[in-house]
Amino acid sequence: DADVTQTPRNRITKTGKRIMLECSQTKGHDRMYWYRQDPGLGLRLIYYSFDVKDINKGEISDGYSVSRQAQAKFSLSLESAIPNQTALYFCATSDSKGTGGMDEQFFGPGTRLTVL
Amino acid sequence: AQTVTQSQPEMSVQEAETVTLSCTYDTSESNYYLFWYKQPPSRQMILVIRQEAYKQQNATENRFSVNFQKAAKSFSLKISDSQLGDTAMYFCAFMKPISGSARQLTFGSGTQLTVLP
Repeated sequence: DADVTQTPRNRITKTGKRIMLECSQTKGHDRMYWYRQDPGLGLRLIYYSFDVKDINKGEISDGYSVSRQAQAKFSLSLESAIPNQTALYFCATSDSKGTGGMDEQFFGPGTRLTVL
Repeated sequence: AQTVTQSQPEMSVQEAETVTLSCTYDTSESNYYLFWYKQPPSRQMILVIRQEAYKQQNATENRFSVNFQKAAKSFSLKISDSQLGDTAMYFCAFMKPISGSARQLTFGSGTQLTVLP
């Protein structure tokens, strides 16, 4: 079974709709991240959370919100989806107690979101 | 701001040959980490290799090795004995401290590698 799971894997929605992407992990990691991938731009950080009570904005947080329901769950919401939010979304986790202070991140399988 | 540049959007290599993917980065930090991630058609992001900036020795993982030139801010990936399964998008990534032990990853735009039979 995958250590980091994302639901749904694919989603098509319409402009103006509210949508939630969910991420769960069984790795026991305390840190979780949401990234967005666009063609030709690599991955960009949307939000990150270092524990249930600590949530921080990343590089491109406008139009998004997050909720850390538990250490193992981190969801990303689009309150009113717009077409330029069409992208591939990745959740990642890391362990603050990881070896060497590297804070290596482990990625989920991604959610492809299309906003029409 | 940190930037990561991958100047080769696409590359191809014959099976069993060697290929090198380029990556340069810009930073004023002295303590950081560098990574290469592989993204096959399955979309999964897979860590290929990592390098700590304070280590002069280049990292190696089986057929994958890096050429880390800290002064030149260059971090290239060499794939030896290329296999069809190496076909993927490859991302170079830079990790820097943001607060305490927290780290942030910045990715390049990727290089699509195709291994030809």
